[in-house]
Amino acid sequence: SAVISQKPSRDICQRGTSLTIQCQVDSQVTMMFWYRQQPGQSLTLIATANQGSEATYESGFVIDKFPISRPNLTFSTLTVSNMSPEDSSIYLCSVEPLRVTSGGVDTQYFGPGTRLTVL
Amino acid sequence: GEDVEQSLFLSVREGDSSVINCTYTDSSSTYLYWYKQEPGAGLQLLTYIFSNMDMKQDQRLTVLLNKKDKHLSLRIADTQTGDSAIYFCAERRNDYKLSFGAGTTVTVRA
Repeated sequence: SAVISQKPSRDICQRGTSLTIQCQVDSQVTMMFWYRQQPGQSLTLIATANQGSEATYESGFVIDKFPISRPNLTFSTLTVSNMSPEDSSIYLCSVEPLRVTSGGVDTQYFGPGTRLTVL
Repeated sequence: GEDVEQSLFLSVREGDSSVINCTYTDSSSTYLYWYKQEPGAGLQLLTYIFSNMDMKQDQRLTVLLNKKDKHLSLRIADTQTGDSAIYFCAERRNDYKLSFGAGTTVTVRA
């Protein structure tokens, strides 16, 4: 498994501003992802954070709105730009560790989330 | 519509068994997962099942997979108040991405 921390845990922001969320993992991982969970909804994948290259965005999400960095194998940031109340959500980082044994399982582990409220 | 579907709510009496059902659409899914989300928290991996298995038991948890019907269920034996949470079913697609259901809110009553 992996231990994942996110900062900030929550924030209240004004419309039109930007917020950068950090995700830190306690071990090197191959894959890092960013999800959004809108109030009362399921999780929607925003993008895959690629180490050393541009993130891969899902349909409906663009780099100008959600720029992502991944400078190394243990850290990533997601910025929510030019925020509006519709961006109020929980933003979750997840990671998939490299499976080192043939008997292991491929799975994703999630951080505690960042609860964002935009006024 | 959703690729993964779940019923939205389940109410169960403390000590009884809970059964949460899920259907998925991707027959090539390699793994299926159950995650638990408690209020104000992130997602915790509860258990998983590989697609070539029919059943997996892990203490109070039993996962059943019917691959023909693309149906997955999670049974929690002797449900406790600490089991009150939202439970998400997820399938792992061939592109390694996870597709989540809407989540089932389980309420345990005394």
